[in-house]
Amino acid sequence: DSGVTQTPKHLITATGQRVTLRCSPRSGDLSVYWYQQSLDQGLQFLIQYYNGEERAKGNILERFSAQQFPDLHSELNLSSLELGDSALYFCASSVGWGALDEQFFGPGTRLTVL
Amino acid sequence: GENVEQHPSTLSVQEGDSAVIKCTYSDSASNYFPWYKQELGKRPQLIIDIRSNVGEKKDQRIAVTLNKTAKHFSLHITETQPEDSAVYFCAASIPSGNTPLVFGKGTRLSVIA
Repeated sequence: DSGVTQTPKHLITATGQRVTLRCSPRSGDLSVYWYQQSLDQGLQFLIQYYNGEERAKGNILERFSAQQFPDLHSELNLSSLELGDSALYFCASSVGWGALDEQFFGPGTRLTVL
Repeated sequence: GENVEQHPSTLSVQEGDSAVIKCTYSDSASNYFPWYKQELGKRPQLIIDIRSNVGEKKDQRIAVTLNKTAKHFSLHITETQPEDSAVYFCAASIPSGNTPLVFGKGTRLSVIA
């Protein structure tokens, strides 16, 4: 157990809908990262927050948004869902904000868009 | 932007044999190279990492080597066991980029008993 929690574990929804994925980092970690893992694909970096502020942004679609709250948990909002958004979404956390910090991954949320 | 190429995409070895996975990166400023193991249906977990001031690092049956000149690094697993079967991802840091870590596409390792 990495100490990073994600809810829900599974999510099944329809095209056009909006969902929210939640992540709680390890105690003491200030950074939260979001990744998308599609079938047979690697880990695609979406976005990073550090202590409530956006720190880095990857290839995140405009339909997706995220935020980190004062208690450091983070939410990833996915809207106008398409079939291609079906994937595993991982959250990771680290102590600092830099590229040298070890990232600890949560168990992931499996999103299925029908 | 930074690109990390990982080979092979699949690898099958007999139990007890060694396995080697190779990655190349493009940004010469990259200075941190972690390797993650992801078992089926599980989260990626860090198994070993190396920083650019070190050429080799070993942890029991796992070792990583780094060649900064050639911009490639490799994971070596010796005396493979069935529980080593998983997908392995390499990654490279991007100190000045928008993406903290760039991951390779993964290698699916199967250890045949």
